[in-house]
Amino acid sequence: KQEVTQIPAALSVPEGENLVLNCSFTDSAIYNLQWFRQDPGKGLTSLLLIQSSQREQTSGRLNASLDKSSGRSTLYIAASQPGDSATYLCAVRGGSNYKLTFGKGTLLTVNP
Amino acid sequence: SAVISQKPSRDICQRGTSLTIQCQVDSQVTMMFWYRQQPGQSLTLIATANQGSEATYESGFVIDKFPISRPNLTFSTLTVSNMSPEDSSIYLCSVERDRGAYNEQFFGPGTRLTVL
Repeated sequence: KQEVTQIPAALSVPEGENLVLNCSFTDSAIYNLQWFRQDPGKGLTSLLLIQSSQREQTSGRLNASLDKSSGRSTLYIAASQPGDSATYLCAVRGGSNYKLTFGKGTLLTVNP
Repeated sequence: SAVISQKPSRDICQRGTSLTIQCQVDSQVTMMFWYRQQPGQSLTLIATANQGSEATYESGFVIDKFPISRPNLTFSTLTVSNMSPEDSSIYLCSVERDRGAYNEQFFGPGTRLTVL
């Protein structure tokens, strides 16, 4: 059974810092990995999707990497802003049922 | 992407009652998914809803507790029946978009349910 772990559970940084969020998964037989953002009490916004054959994806200040063999992904946020404050969720798609398995998320707070 | 709306956005309900959550998508999709996010936890898939057939439920979820309707390719409802405080969660509707080489998942804004 796939398990997804995100470290740290919470992170607080001053505005302007570059930061890295980590995601690890136990079964490397995945199709893709997706990073989401969730604002308090809200739904999920898709940020980046990396296919299993890719090493990284970039969107603006966000860069996600994937090392499938070691079961790891990172989300790099450059020049963080208070508006980046949210919970960041990692989800992997895999298995015979092709379903998403989610981590518990990292709660990011960017202080002005 | 996909534009997904849910109603209601939040509700406070009494123990023993039922609540029906609606999900509307801006274009036709084959499968719609219902997730639950309990406080402090990650998302758990409740069931997958296909139009014209019964929903497929994940382990730990049953139709009597979470009946689902899927009358057409853009709409679905999830009912939380005979509610207890343990049902207090955010309930999220989700769809997949076929990108050719892969499927990408999108989520609605969620329904925050509090059961007293």
